[in-house]
Parts: sequence; structure tokens; C-alpha cells
Amino acid sequence: GESVGLHLPTLSVQEGDNSIINCAYSNSASDYFIWYKQESGKGPQFIIDIRSNMDKRQGQRVTVLLNKTVKHLSLQIAATQPGDSAVYFCAENNYGGATNKLIFGTGTLLAVQP
Amino acid sequence: ETGVTQTPRHLVMGMTNKKSLKCEQHLGHNAMYWYKQSAKKPLELMFVYSLEERVENNSVPSRFSPECPNSSHLFLHLHTLQPEDSALYLCASSPQEGGYGYTFGSGTRLTVV
Repeated sequence: GESVGLHLPTLSVQEGDNSIINCAYSNSASDYFIWYKQESGKGPQFIIDIRSNMDKRQGQRVTVLLNKTVKHLSLQIAATQPGDSAVYFCAENNYGGATNKLIFGTGTLLAVQP
Repeated sequence: ETGVTQTPRHLVMGMTNKKSLKCEQHLGHNAMYWYKQSAKKPLELMFVYSLEERVENNSVPSRFSPECPNSSHLFLHLHTLQPEDSALYLCASSPQEGGYGYTFGSGTRLTVV
């Protein structure tokens, strides 16, 4: 079946360090992936996306890596700040039918220690 | 603001009450979604509307009744809820076509007493 899951439910890092959040997906036909950030009391917010014709994409302090061979997605956050503390979700796009369907992972809690 | 607005932000209701959650977007999207988010659980997809037609209902109890009067508005009507229905209810919108992310609202925190 289809699934998107995270290796680490909780990640604790020191302020200033780099963070890496991992995600495994099982549908090899998926060709669009997204990372969301959800802060306490808010809805998930788009961080960065990547399409399957790429293996790396960079944003401001964030980088997403896609390894289609092992069906693995990761989010790297450089110089992690207290404001980065949140739950991070990966999602894959399933082009099933006529709808735009995203399948979400369970989420990883990133805790930044001062 | 994300462009998807949900009201109210917080709602406390008794099990015999009837209430409605509202979602509004002016992003030009033509698909809208309701999700339930409970503590320490993944996002649960409840309903999907595409071009104002319900295209997915993930075995949601009939005490939850969605309504999509136009492509910009989505409602979730609630009646005779149970305490276990207490959760964060998130609305999202997107283009109908695949290959795009969803834009989420801030959610309605629902408590059933």
C-alpha cells in the first residue's frame, strides 16, 4: 500500500547546529514532494517542494534532498534557530484519479535547545 | 495569513449542539479539503471537494456533514458529536490538478463536552 513515514518522531538539536529530518515513501510512482512546518496552534505551512526530476533543491536555510533509488526524502535546516521548533511533515503527491491527492507522513517534532 | 481563513478559531460545544465550521479561500483554487488532526496522530483526510463536487469521503460518521456552495467556501456542519471528536479541524485548498501543494488554514480547535 501507499505510505509516507518518518524515521524519527522527535529530534532535539542545539541552536546553531544543522538539522536533518528524514522521510521514507513507498509509492515509487509519486513525482512531487513537499515539506510542511506546523507550529503550535497553527496549520501546516509550506516550506519547500521538489519534483522527481530533481534530486536537490535549496531555499532560504533549507534544502530538500530526494533519493528516488531508495525512496527517501530529507529536509536539512542550516543554523537551526529557536523559531524552527515545530512539527515537520513530509507529503507525497499521488496523481490518482482526477484529484490532487497528497499523502502526509506522521510528522517529526523538532526541538531546538538554546 | 495563508489565504485560507477558518472561523471560528476555537469552539466548545455540547454533545447535543449543532454548529458549523467555515473555511474561505480567495486563491483561485478549485479543490478544498477537510482534515482532522488529533494529538499524536497523522493528519486524517475527511472530505475532498473538487470543482464544488464531493469526490472523497473517507468513512466519516454522518454527524459530520460538509457543504461546498462555491469554489471559495467550504463548511463542516456538526451535530450530536462525541467527546472523541475533539480535535483541530483543518481546511486546505489547492489547484485541482496534481503536482501542487495544499494551502492550509489555521484550523478550528474543537472541544466537545
